[in-house]
Amino acid sequence: ILNVEQSPQSLHVQEGDSTNFTCSFPSSNFYALHWYRWETAKSPEALFVMTLNGDEKKKGRISATLNTKEGYSYLYIKGSQPEDSATYLCASSPPNAGGTSYGKLTFGQGTILTVHP
Amino acid sequence: NAGVTQTPKFQVLKTGQSMTLQCAQDMNHNSMYWYRQDPGMGLRLIYYSASEGTTDKGEVPNGYNVSRLNKREFSLRLESAAPSQTSVYFCASSQDVRDTQYFGPGTRLTVL
Repeated sequence: ILNVEQSPQSLHVQEGDSTNFTCSFPSSNFYALHWYRWETAKSPEALFVMTLNGDEKKKGRISATLNTKEGYSYLYIKGSQPEDSATYLCASSPPNAGGTSYGKLTFGQGTILTVHP
Repeated sequence: NAGVTQTPKFQVLKTGQSMTLQCAQDMNHNSMYWYRQDPGMGLRLIYYSASEGTTDKGEVPNGYNVSRLNKREFSLRLESAAPSQTSVYFCASSQDVRDTQYFGPGTRLTVL
């Protein structure tokens, strides 16, 4: 995988449903995986940064896992609420190659989540 | 704290005109970034500055120049705007290049 890919592109769930989506990234060129949440008409908001294989992070009802060997991360939302409706972005950063490459994030196209009341 | 601020919020240019997008952060962050966001393309890195005094190219640097004026400010210049540069531009900052990034509100630029 040369790019960062997210699936599904969009998802519609009912309030109270739990859901998850996937981010795939190039495992051979990896330092960190970032997750952001982006609400319409706002700016992307940071959720997690993960670097270690097997890492698991949690923020309220949202959690994420990381598998660096196979190059994927899952984002889980437990008991979805209408206010969770947003685009969820992941981004991969490469290892440091002579200086500051960590900052060169490559973003996926996002998963658009709509939670219906 | 205002976080990351960007000016202007909206701009319309004619092909060939130049302009500078301004970005400032008040979080004492070392690293700053410029992205563009196009439909179906996601966020793409134009340039970034790991620390004051340094700048590096991102994925799509052609047609742009940047200046890290001081620790707080990072500007993006379009010398000769082209319709292909019509986009929403986001500035971001982070404590260090390895840290989570905080985004500004964006500038919507249209080049006619």
